[in-house]
Amino acid sequence: GQQVMQIPQYQHVQEGEDFTTYCNSSTTLSNIQWYKQRPGGHPVFLIQLVKSGEVKKQKRLTFQFGEAKKNSSLHITATQTTDVGTYFCAGRYNQGGKLIFGQGTELSVKP
Amino acid sequence: DAGVIQSPRHEVTEMGQEVTLRCKPISGHDYLFWYRQTMMRGLELLIYFNNNVPIDDSGMPEDRFSAKMPNASFSTLKIQPSEPRDSAVYFCASSFLGGELFFGEGSRLTVL
Repeated sequence: GQQVMQIPQYQHVQEGEDFTTYCNSSTTLSNIQWYKQRPGGHPVFLIQLVKSGEVKKQKRLTFQFGEAKKNSSLHITATQTTDVGTYFCAGRYNQGGKLIFGQGTELSVKP
Repeated sequence: DAGVIQSPRHEVTEMGQEVTLRCKPISGHDYLFWYRQTMMRGLELLIYFNNNVPIDDSGMPEDRFSAKMPNASFSTLKIQPSEPRDSAVYFCASSFLGGELFFGEGSRLTVL
């Protein structure tokens, strides 16, 4: 079935270190979205990637969509304590169709 | 603008009782999603609606779960009878034309 795999499950970093989380789908995605959920909160939309090979940046965050539209990554440069939370990718296989979430990567940042 | 509004925020009930969770999507949004979040299973899509019509309910665990969307501004998720394994945070989310999802604050359900 349609499934989006995300690794790692947990990542503990020292403040200032970089962080990367990866998502992979066995079949081609129509688009992929990324969300952040703070502890005790709800997922909040970060970005959507649609085109093959697309790269988007938001300050210290860099998002990539693979050439085959089967994988994606989120990279955070020089993490800060405010980056703490769980980062989810969510893949869509058909335009307007259901959004399948990865398992999430929980990021903790040690000051 | 008000975001997605869910109620109740917290519910504690006993096994066998009926539970009804409510959601008001953002005005103008045409998609509504119900997700369940647990530590073990992450964020699971239960069902989603487009223009009030259920499109995919393949994620609904079993017949004890039902969802309705009688109009564009209201949806319910009902569990009857509830079981301890139903304990989770239930999120409602809405979107426009299949774009980004806006999540509610969630309803934390505890079934004793």
